Amino acid sequence: DIVMTQSPDSLAVSLGERATINCKSSQSVLYSSNNKNYLAWYQQKPGQPPKLLIYWASTRESGVPERFSGSGSGTDFTLTITSLQAEDVAVYFCQQFFGTPSFTFGPGTKVDIK
Amino acid sequence: EVQLVESGGGLIQPGGSLRLSCAASGFTVSSNFMTWVRQAPGKGLEWVSVIYSGGSTYYADSVKGRFTISRDSSKNTVYLQMNSLRAEDTAVYYCARTGLLTGYAFDIWGQGTMVTVSS
Repeated sequence: DIVMTQSPDSLAVSLGERATINCKSSQSVLYSSNNKNYLAWYQQKPGQPPKLLIYWASTRESGVPERFSGSGSGTDFTLTITSLQAEDVAVYFCQQFFGTPSFTFGPGTKVDIK
Repeated sequence: EVQLVESGGGLIQPGGSLRLSCAASGFTVSSNFMTWVRQAPGKGLEWVSVIYSGGSTYYADSVKGRFTISRDSSKNTVYLQMNSLRAEDTAVYYCARTGLLTGYAFDIWGQGTMVTVSS
């Protein structure tokens, strides 16, 4: 089974500063047939369900602010929040889909304001 | 409006059974992949089960043989039948649409229903 890891476990960033979250997959989630990475990012605020931010590793879901961006390929991925806003305080999860099917989530990264 | 509404959660004794429902509006469940995801208190997200548009079903190893996912097209509803429940099944259970145009990411989520397994 594919195992997802995230780093750091938590981070505190000043308002307006950049936040960077890393996600690593134990095996590649890049489909050679279409050259797409089946990696998604979600934001979860307390008491709410997760919200899809990014899919295919770098495609922003409709309505998601441009300050959220995703990058990476194969096994290493990054979610970047370029200018942290107060409403971005949340836990962020990465998730892969690859075969079988298997929909594994990372353990999550908590983002707070410094 | 596209939305999912879960119901059926509650307090149940170990070994008991419970059926969760997920009513969809704004889209057709039978034309989509539909997924159940759970989150134990204070923990991360765990994929539980998926039903494909063609009817194929898949389960996480932790629930295989105990849980059954199904759907009723006439009610546009997805179900999760949970048998032989254990304390470790205690969690908020979310229903989610698996976006075929979003790389199988979960693009629509319900608010969740809490299942507590305890004597």
